[in-house]
Amino acid sequence: AQTVTQSQPEMSVQEAETVTLSCTYDTSESDYYLFWYKQPPSRQMILVIRQEAYKQQNATENRFSVNFQKAAKSFSLKISDSQLGDAAMYFCAYRRTGNQFYFGTGTSLTVIP
Amino acid sequence: GAGVSQSPSNKVTEKGKDVELRCDPISGHTALYWYRQRLGQGLEFLIYFQGNSAPDKSGLPSDRFSAERTGESVSTLTIQRTQQEDSAVYLCASSSGDFFSYEQYFGPGTRLTVT
Repeated sequence: AQTVTQSQPEMSVQEAETVTLSCTYDTSESDYYLFWYKQPPSRQMILVIRQEAYKQQNATENRFSVNFQKAAKSFSLKISDSQLGDAAMYFCAYRRTGNQFYFGTGTSLTVIP
Repeated sequence: GAGVSQSPSNKVTEKGKDVELRCDPISGHTALYWYRQRLGQGLEFLIYFQGNSAPDKSGLPSDRFSAERTGESVSTLTIQRTQQEDSAVYLCASSSGDFFSYEQYFGPGTRLTVT
């Protein structure tokens, strides 16, 4: 069975600094997708970044980038130049070939002004 | 309305009553997912619909939970004889269903409180 583990329930970062959120997953598949979602207090889940497992290059979206280590089954999210609006719950998610998604338990990010 | 919508946004019910939660996916999206999110927890997969295929019900926690979907349109999640442990936010998401179009679009959720 696929599982997604986020070992950091809470993280904090100073505004304008960089923070890295950790995620590991377990799978026997070779083709899959990985995602980071952001959930602010409004509850609306927002896709932050995605990574295709067959791509070796790490995905980047503006201030957000990932460190994808396929062999280690690790998928961390780096937020650079943190902003107050980045404060939210962040969920790591795995999508298998059958279209089912598996989510981690989340990391609550606090941005300190 | 291009996004996923859910109704009601909040629902308070007495223990033992039945509730129905509704999800309107993005038009044309063949895949629809229901998740449960307990307070301070991650998303727990409940059920997945893909086109006309049999739904994947492997995440439904008990036979009190059921869901239906009319074609590639509206879905209803029904919880019978609600219990206090059913209190949670229920999130719906849809996607195009194409494996290479991977993104899920989430609705705002329904917060269910069982008293």
